[in-house]
Amino acid sequence: AQSVTQLDSHVSVSEGTPVLLRCNYSSSYSPSLFWYVQHPNKGLQLLLKYTSAATLVKGINGFEAEFKKSETSFHLTKPSAHMSDAAEYFCVVSEMDSNYQLIWGAGTKLIIKP
Amino acid sequence: DTGVSQNPRHKITKRGQNVTFRCDPISEHNRLYWYRQTLGQGPEFLTYFQNEAQLEKSRLLSDRFSAERPKGSFSTLEIQRTEQGDSAMYLCASSSTRLAGKNTGELFFGEGSRLTVL
Repeated sequence: AQSVTQLDSHVSVSEGTPVLLRCNYSSSYSPSLFWYVQHPNKGLQLLLKYTSAATLVKGINGFEAEFKKSETSFHLTKPSAHMSDAAEYFCVVSEMDSNYQLIWGAGTKLIIKP
Repeated sequence: DTGVSQNPRHKITKRGQNVTFRCDPISEHNRLYWYRQTLGQGPEFLTYFQNEAQLEKSRLLSDRFSAERPKGSFSTLEIQRTEQGDSAMYLCASSSTRLAGKNTGELFFGEGSRLTVL
């Protein structure tokens, strides 16, 4: 069975410092992996996706994630945090053969300190 | 704005009343999804349509929940005899199989309809 674990419910960093949001998954198939971001009172937005091409994936707003099959991880990183990055981030896994089945993590709230 | 539109954005109702939410997807998208999100949780899949066909509805939370997409464009989600436990954010998303193929992880979300049941 598929599952997604976001290892931190909250992450707090200072503006200008690196961001690391951790995600581990389990999947019986070759998964596709995604990160979505949700700003307060806004809809979810796709940040980046991995679909069996390059293992290092670059997304919007300077974020990137690396797919590590041996570690079953898909951690999200950004070199330098900005105040506008404060939001909730969701890691999502999808089976390649699934028409609709997305498994969502519980989310990580990113807090940026000035 | 050509994104996914949801109405109303907020709905406060009394227990036992019926409520209906509407979703207008991106116009060229043939797939439409409904999710529910409660505080501190990720979205929970409810149902989805491809064009006007409802291809999966076993995840609807109870028989009080129903969804339609009569002409393959906008969709409605109705909750009958609301209960306090129905209080949540109801999210709509759309996608195009012509763009994403069978991989439906690339969804475009609306801003949600927040339901409060008193």
